[in-house]
Amino acid sequence: EVVMTQSPATLSVSPGERVSLSCRASQSVSSNLAWYQQKPGQAPRLLIYDASTRATGIPARFSGSGSGTEFALTISSLQSEDFAVYYCQQYNNWWTFGQGTKVEIK
Amino acid sequence: QVQLQESGPGLVKPSETLSLTCTVSGGSFTDYYWSWIRQPAGKGLEWIGRIYTSGTSNYKSSLESRVSMSVDTSKNQVSLRLTSVTAADTAVYYCARADILRASPFDSWGQGTLVTVSS
Repeated sequence: EVVMTQSPATLSVSPGERVSLSCRASQSVSSNLAWYQQKPGQAPRLLIYDASTRATGIPARFSGSGSGTEFALTISSLQSEDFAVYYCQQYNNWWTFGQGTKVEIK
Repeated sequence: QVQLQESGPGLVKPSETLSLTCTVSGGSFTDYYWSWIRQPAGKGLEWIGRIYTSGTSNYKSSLESRVSMSVDTSKNQVSLRLTSVTAADTAVYYCARADILRASPFDSWGQGTLVTVSS
Protein backbone atom coordinates (compact mmCIF):
# COMPACT_ATOMS: atom_id res chain seq x y z
CA GLU A 1 0.00 0.00 0.00
CA VAL A 2 1.24 3.48 -0.86
CA VAL A 3 1.35 5.52 2.35
CA MET A 4 0.63 9.22 2.06
CA THR A 5 1.99 11.53 4.75
CA GLN A 6 0.77 15.12 5.10
CA SER A 7 2.34 17.95 7.03
CA PRO A 8 1.65 19.82 9.13
CA ALA A 9 -1.37 18.31 10.86
CA THR A 10 -2.74 21.78 11.61
CA LEU A 11 -2.04 25.21 10.17
CA SER A 12 -3.22 28.36 11.95
CA VAL A 13 -3.42 31.21 9.47
CA SER A 14 -5.10 34.58 9.00
CA PRO A 15 -7.36 35.43 6.08
CA GLY A 16 -5.39 36.81 3.15
CA GLU A 17 -2.26 34.82 3.96
CA ARG A 18 -0.55 32.44 1.57
CA VAL A 19 -0.40 28.84 2.75
CA SER A 20 1.37 25.73 1.53
CA LEU A 21 0.48 22.18 2.51
CA SER A 22 2.81 19.26 1.95
CA CYS A 23 2.18 15.66 0.97
CA ARG A 24 4.72 12.87 0.63
CA ALA A 25 4.22 9.44 -0.91
CA SER A 26 6.07 6.34 0.32
CA GLN A 27 6.88 5.47 -3.31
CA SER A 28 6.59 7.29 -6.60
CA VAL A 29 3.02 7.96 -7.73
CA SER A 30 4.11 9.87 -10.83
CA SER A 31 1.63 12.77 -11.16
CA ASN A 32 -1.35 10.70 -10.05
CA LEU A 33 -2.03 12.92 -7.07
CA ALA A 34 -5.20 14.75 -6.07
CA TRP A 35 -6.13 17.24 -3.38
CA TYR A 36 -9.53 17.43 -1.71
CA GLN A 37 -11.17 19.95 0.59
CA GLN A 38 -13.56 18.78 3.27
CA LYS A 39 -15.74 20.94 5.49
CA PRO A 40 -17.61 19.64 8.56
CA GLY A 41 -20.56 17.46 7.67
CA GLN A 42 -19.73 17.47 3.97
CA ALA A 43 -18.20 15.04 1.54
CA PRO A 44 -14.72 15.80 0.22
CA ARG A 45 -14.58 18.05 -2.83
CA LEU A 46 -11.99 17.52 -5.55
CA LEU A 47 -9.73 20.56 -5.91
CA ILE A 48 -6.67 19.43 -7.86
CA TYR A 49 -5.89 16.31 -9.91
CA ASP A 50 -2.87 15.16 -11.87
CA ALA A 51 -0.86 17.04 -9.24
CA SER A 52 -1.48 20.47 -10.73
CA THR A 53 -4.76 20.61 -12.69
CA ARG A 54 -7.62 22.46 -11.05
CA ALA A 55 -10.95 20.67 -11.09
CA THR A 56 -13.97 22.32 -12.64
CA GLY A 57 -15.05 25.45 -10.81
CA ILE A 58 -12.06 25.62 -8.48
CA PRO A 59 -10.73 29.18 -8.00
CA ALA A 60 -7.31 30.09 -9.34
CA ARG A 61 -5.99 30.80 -5.84
CA PHE A 62 -5.62 27.02 -5.45
CA SER A 63 -2.57 25.52 -7.11
CA GLY A 64 -0.78 22.21 -6.94
CA SER A 65 2.77 21.18 -7.68
CA GLY A 66 5.13 18.25 -7.49
CA SER A 67 5.65 14.80 -8.95
CA GLY A 68 7.04 11.47 -7.86
CA THR A 69 6.92 11.51 -4.07
CA GLU A 70 6.75 15.18 -3.06
CA PHE A 71 3.72 17.37 -3.59
CA ALA A 72 2.31 20.67 -2.40
CA LEU A 73 -0.99 22.50 -2.38
CA THR A 74 -0.78 26.28 -2.23
CA ILE A 75 -3.59 28.70 -1.50
CA SER A 76 -2.38 32.12 -2.61
CA SER A 77 -4.66 34.27 -0.44
CA LEU A 78 -6.77 32.44 2.09
CA GLN A 79 -10.47 33.28 2.05
CA SER A 80 -12.91 32.65 4.89
CA GLU A 81 -14.49 29.76 2.98
CA ASP A 82 -11.11 28.01 2.69
CA PHE A 83 -10.88 27.06 6.35
CA ALA A 84 -11.29 23.30 6.15
CA VAL A 85 -9.40 20.00 6.17
CA TYR A 86 -7.35 19.18 3.09
CA TYR A 87 -6.47 15.66 2.01
CA CYS A 88 -4.03 14.46 -0.58
CA GLN A 89 -4.73 11.20 -2.39
CA GLN A 90 -2.71 9.03 -4.73
CA TYR A 91 -4.44 7.10 -7.50
CA ASN A 92 -1.39 5.51 -9.10
CA ASN A 93 -1.85 2.24 -7.21
CA TRP A 94 -5.49 1.92 -6.16
CA TRP A 95 -6.37 4.86 -3.92
CA THR A 96 -4.92 5.98 -0.60
CA PHE A 97 -5.32 9.24 1.30
CA GLY A 98 -3.13 11.26 3.59
CA GLN A 99 -4.29 11.87 7.13
CA GLY A 100 -5.26 15.46 6.39
CA THR A 101 -4.15 18.99 7.22
CA LYS A 102 -6.58 21.21 9.08
CA VAL A 103 -6.40 24.88 8.10
CA GLU A 104 -7.82 26.90 10.94
CA ILE A 105 -8.31 30.57 11.68
CA LYS A 106 -5.48 32.16 13.62
CA GLN B 1 -25.24 16.79 -13.11
CA VAL B 2 -24.57 13.45 -11.51
CA GLN B 3 -25.93 12.73 -8.06
CA LEU B 4 -24.93 9.88 -5.78
CA GLN B 5 -27.08 8.91 -2.82
CA GLU B 6 -26.13 6.39 -0.16
CA SER B 7 -28.82 4.56 1.78
CA GLY B 8 -29.09 1.81 4.36
CA PRO B 9 -29.44 1.10 8.07
CA GLY B 10 -27.77 3.58 10.36
CA LEU B 11 -27.31 1.05 13.14
CA VAL B 12 -25.82 -2.42 12.87
CA LYS B 13 -25.12 -4.87 15.70
CA PRO B 14 -21.64 -6.24 16.28
CA SER B 15 -20.86 -9.43 14.32
CA GLU B 16 -23.68 -8.71 11.86
CA THR B 17 -23.49 -7.52 8.24
CA LEU B 18 -23.48 -3.91 7.10
CA SER B 19 -25.35 -3.37 3.83
CA LEU B 20 -25.47 -0.09 1.93
CA THR B 21 -26.68 1.00 -1.49
CA CYS B 22 -25.56 3.88 -3.67
CA THR B 23 -28.00 5.14 -6.27
CA VAL B 24 -26.60 7.12 -9.19
CA SER B 25 -28.69 9.58 -11.15
CA GLY B 26 -28.16 12.28 -13.75
CA GLY B 27 -25.06 10.91 -15.38
CA SER B 28 -23.41 7.93 -17.08
CA PHE B 29 -23.31 4.74 -15.04
CA THR B 30 -21.09 2.76 -17.39
CA ASP B 31 -18.19 5.17 -17.89
CA TYR B 32 -16.97 4.97 -14.30
CA TYR B 33 -15.68 2.79 -11.52
CA TRP B 34 -17.79 3.07 -8.39
CA SER B 35 -16.00 3.03 -5.07
CA TRP B 36 -16.87 2.97 -1.40
CA ILE B 37 -14.84 5.08 1.04
CA ARG B 38 -15.34 5.42 4.75
CA GLN B 39 -14.39 7.94 7.40
CA PRO B 40 -14.58 7.37 11.15
CA ALA B 41 -15.56 10.43 13.13
CA GLY B 42 -12.71 12.90 13.32
CA LYS B 43 -10.41 10.69 11.26
CA GLY B 44 -9.19 10.31 7.71
CA LEU B 45 -10.53 8.64 4.59
CA GLU B 46 -10.14 4.96 3.77
CA TRP B 47 -10.83 3.44 0.36
CA ILE B 48 -12.74 0.16 0.75
CA GLY B 49 -13.10 -1.10 -2.80
CA ARG B 50 -14.44 -0.48 -6.29
CA ILE B 51 -16.73 -2.12 -8.79
CA TYR B 52 -17.40 -1.70 -12.48
CA THR B 53 -20.74 -2.19 -14.16
CA SER B 54 -19.51 -5.55 -15.49
CA GLY B 55 -19.42 -6.71 -11.87
CA THR B 56 -15.62 -6.81 -11.71
CA SER B 57 -14.54 -5.67 -8.27
CA ASN B 58 -11.37 -4.99 -6.29
CA TYR B 59 -11.03 -4.53 -2.57
CA LYS B 60 -8.54 -3.10 -0.11
CA SER B 61 -6.43 -6.05 0.96
CA SER B 62 -6.99 -5.59 4.69
CA LEU B 63 -10.78 -5.72 4.23
CA GLU B 64 -10.96 -8.26 1.42
CA SER B 65 -12.08 -11.15 3.61
CA ARG B 66 -15.16 -9.23 4.82
CA VAL B 67 -16.16 -7.06 1.84
CA SER B 68 -18.22 -7.67 -1.22
CA MET B 69 -19.76 -5.29 -3.75
CA SER B 70 -22.42 -5.77 -6.35
CA VAL B 71 -24.02 -3.75 -9.12
CA ASP B 72 -27.56 -3.46 -10.48
CA THR B 73 -27.38 -1.76 -13.87
CA SER B 74 -31.17 -1.72 -14.24
CA LYS B 75 -31.41 0.57 -11.22
CA ASN B 76 -28.04 2.36 -11.53
CA GLN B 77 -27.12 1.09 -8.09
CA VAL B 78 -24.01 -0.29 -6.45
CA SER B 79 -24.06 -2.07 -3.13
CA LEU B 80 -21.63 -2.74 -0.31
CA ARG B 81 -21.67 -5.60 2.15
CA LEU B 82 -19.30 -5.76 5.09
CA THR B 83 -19.55 -8.82 7.30
CA SER B 84 -18.66 -9.47 10.94
CA VAL B 85 -18.67 -5.78 11.83
CA THR B 86 -17.17 -4.36 15.00
CA ALA B 87 -17.12 -0.92 16.57
CA ALA B 88 -14.09 -0.16 14.41
CA ASP B 89 -16.39 -0.21 11.37
CA THR B 90 -18.40 2.73 12.71
CA ALA B 91 -17.96 5.50 10.15
CA VAL B 92 -19.54 7.70 7.53
CA TYR B 93 -19.64 5.66 4.34
CA TYR B 94 -19.38 7.43 0.99
CA CYS B 95 -19.77 6.24 -2.55
CA ALA B 96 -17.79 8.01 -5.26
CA ARG B 97 -16.89 7.62 -8.93
CA ALA B 98 -13.65 7.52 -10.89
CA ASP B 99 -13.15 7.57 -14.65
CA ILE B 100 -12.40 4.16 -16.19
CA LEU B 101 -10.33 5.47 -19.09
CA ARG B 102 -7.28 6.43 -17.03
CA ALA B 103 -5.95 6.59 -13.49
CA SER B 104 -8.40 8.98 -11.86
CA PRO B 105 -9.37 10.57 -8.57
CA PHE B 106 -12.92 10.68 -7.27
CA ASP B 107 -14.64 13.58 -9.00
CA SER B 108 -18.12 13.10 -7.55
CA TRP B 109 -19.18 11.88 -4.12
CA GLY B 110 -22.39 11.08 -2.34
CA GLN B 111 -23.26 13.01 0.80
CA GLY B 112 -22.35 10.02 2.95
CA THR B 113 -24.30 7.94 5.43
CA LEU B 114 -23.37 7.31 9.04
CA VAL B 115 -23.28 3.71 10.15
CA THR B 116 -22.91 2.98 13.84
CA VAL B 117 -21.99 -0.48 15.07
CA SER B 118 -23.47 -1.00 18.49
CA SER B 119 -25.63 -3.47 20.36
